[in-house]
Amino acid sequence: NAGVTQTPKFQVLKTGQSMTLQCAQDMNHEYMSWYRQDPGMGLRLIHYSVGAGITDQGEVPNGYNVSRSTTEDFPLRLLSAAPSQTSVYFCASSYLSGPGELFFGEGSRLTVL
Amino acid sequence: GQQLNQSPQSMFIQEGEDVSMNCTSSSIFNTWLWYKQDPGEGPVLLIALYKAGELTSNGRLTAQFGITRKDSFLNISASIPSDVGIYFCAGLGAGSYQLTFGKGTKLSVIP
Repeated sequence: NAGVTQTPKFQVLKTGQSMTLQCAQDMNHEYMSWYRQDPGMGLRLIHYSVGAGITDQGEVPNGYNVSRSTTEDFPLRLLSAAPSQTSVYFCASSYLSGPGELFFGEGSRLTVL
Repeated sequence: GQQLNQSPQSMFIQEGEDVSMNCTSSSIFNTWLWYKQDPGEGPVLLIALYKAGELTSNGRLTAQFGITRKDSFLNISASIPSDVGIYFCAGLGAGSYQLTFGKGTKLSVIP
């Protein structure tokens, strides 16, 4: 079982560049989400989705876009990267019947210069 | 937004000692969860609690859902080196899909 797969694992961007972090899960989970983790800040929710075609904002959505065209995939887009978006990003998924019981990917470390 | 206060921020303990950490909130939660994160990896769920007063164990780990619904604690008995990592509490409000995380407790175990 692959679980939750994130790509890339590492990325360096210049300010103003755009990129997409990919997330795929093979557990048929309805719920998917993106978190960012910064030192001393814990995990903060960026966006989440409760099913294909449905997305909503979390605590820190500014500067990020998401879409959910399939149950399996939930990409996170940075349209114009800023140094403040330097962070480790985690994708997580779960069944709607067990919200909170998240399965996390291994993370994507993004540096914006 | 909702905030969770997790303490302590870090702990250094001797192998074999028991560990206790807790989490408090200004808001009521319907679900409390505890996760562990090893270096370079994503968090892994340890224990999920669904009822006020609930006490749940998972091996050497025991967690409780506070009666007020505003707090939870995690105990680790007889610590071992592989317990090293960051432990996060998390809470979920009624009807919400927005999980709120504490800032974590970094545990170091001295052999």
